[in-house]
Amino acid sequence: GAGVSQTPSNKVTEKGKYVELRCDPISGHTALYWYRQSLGQGPEFLIYFQGTGAADDSGLPNDRFFAVRPEGSVSTLKIQRTERGDSAVYLCASSLQASGYEQYFGPGTRLTVT
Amino acid sequence: LAKTTQPISMDSYEGQEVNITCSHNNIATNDYITWYQQFPSQGPRFIIQGYKTKVTNEVASLFIPADRKSSTLSLPRVSLSDTAVYYCLVVLLSGGYNKLIFGAGTRLAVHP
Repeated sequence: GAGVSQTPSNKVTEKGKYVELRCDPISGHTALYWYRQSLGQGPEFLIYFQGTGAADDSGLPNDRFFAVRPEGSVSTLKIQRTERGDSAVYLCASSLQASGYEQYFGPGTRLTVT
Repeated sequence: LAKTTQPISMDSYEGQEVNITCSHNNIATNDYITWYQQFPSQGPRFIIQGYKTKVTNEVASLFIPADRKSSTLSLPRVSLSDTAVYYCLVVLLSGGYNKLIFGAGTRLAVHP
């Protein structure tokens, strides 16, 4: 079946611009997670959604980062006034239930801020 | 959440068994041990999870001693396609969900 998909696969933007990254989770998965991964590091947790609500956004680095999941399926990570330090791979994952021990990751969006 | 320590890198050859050991000295009673695998340009993929003793699936085995302060991921007869980064995580169901905290992982290189 279809896995988690993310678009775009690559995004190059200029410093100060606004970007949106999209995640399509596996159908029926109620839990959705966003991570950020810098080169040579493991993924870093950003935010977790249960249904439509952000149940834990403690990993968002600052208020330039925001994520939504209005209908409980597709999610969008939004970054305002991008900075070069935001350059990373942004990963999305979903799981059938929040208590499930297996998260299914998408291939990620590579964001480059010039 | 318990901190994990694992080798930065390992090398092996095709057909060998690879054991990656992870230490988690301050693991709590309700924590589970989980391993993920990540290939270049892909997201991590769940391999195996266990609480104690031994767990085996079609991909790997996980050995956890009685004190649970360490765990060993065993990959039988590796091939070139097993070259990847392997992450050991201690996972606690907290706030109704499993929060994954990744370290830097172990970079496994399998040589012909």
